Amino acid sequence: AQSVTQPDIHITVSEGASLELRCNYSYGATPYLFWYVQSPGQGLQLLLKYFSGDTLVQGIKGFEAEFKRSQSSFNLRKPSVHWSDAAEYFCAVGAGIPMFSGGYNKLIFGAGTRLAVHP
Amino acid sequence: KAGVTQTPRYLIKTRGQQVTLSCSPISGHRSVSWYQQTPGQGLQFLFEYFSETQRNKGNFPGRFSGRQFSNSRSEMNVSTLELGDSALYLCASMTGERNTGELFFGEGSRLTVL
Repeated sequence: AQSVTQPDIHITVSEGASLELRCNYSYGATPYLFWYVQSPGQGLQLLLKYFSGDTLVQGIKGFEAEFKRSQSSFNLRKPSVHWSDAAEYFCAVGAGIPMFSGGYNKLIFGAGTRLAVHP
Repeated sequence: KAGVTQTPRYLIKTRGQQVTLSCSPISGHRSVSWYQQTPGQGLQFLFEYFSETQRNKGNFPGRFSGRQFSNSRSEMNVSTLELGDSALYLCASMTGERNTGELFFGEGSRLTVL
């Protein structure tokens, strides 16, 4: 069965420092992978996604993620963190019913990593 | 294009009552799914509807139910509320056809059960 592990529950970084959030997945075939961000009291916003092709994917807000099949990982990175990046970040893998033209009809989420940014 | 709209945003109920939450997907999106978010269990899949048919259901008791209308709007219902049902309920939509599984989320309905 598919699963997602985010080993870090809380991470604190200084503004301007680099960031890496870890994500490991369990899936038999090529996974559909996503990173979402949630600000307090808000829904989830998609940062980036990976389905195939180039293993380094670029997203919004300056984020990128690298798919490493050999390590079953999909870590999220940002070279310089801004105070507005403080939020909770969720890694997810597509699961459920395969769609005719790709993807699945549900997501399995990791537990999330809460990011705090010090000025 | 308007996003996913959920109503109400906040509500308070007492144990034993029932609640109905509403979700309007992005125009043109035919798939609507629901997730429950709690501090202890995180984000958990409730169910997914496409063209008024439930295609997938998560591991929740029968007190949790949903439906989808012909205009793709969806409702979920929780009967006989328990304290543990307090959560943020998130609705998400996707095209359901030519898509890559990307979900677009609403801001959620925060349910408090007293």
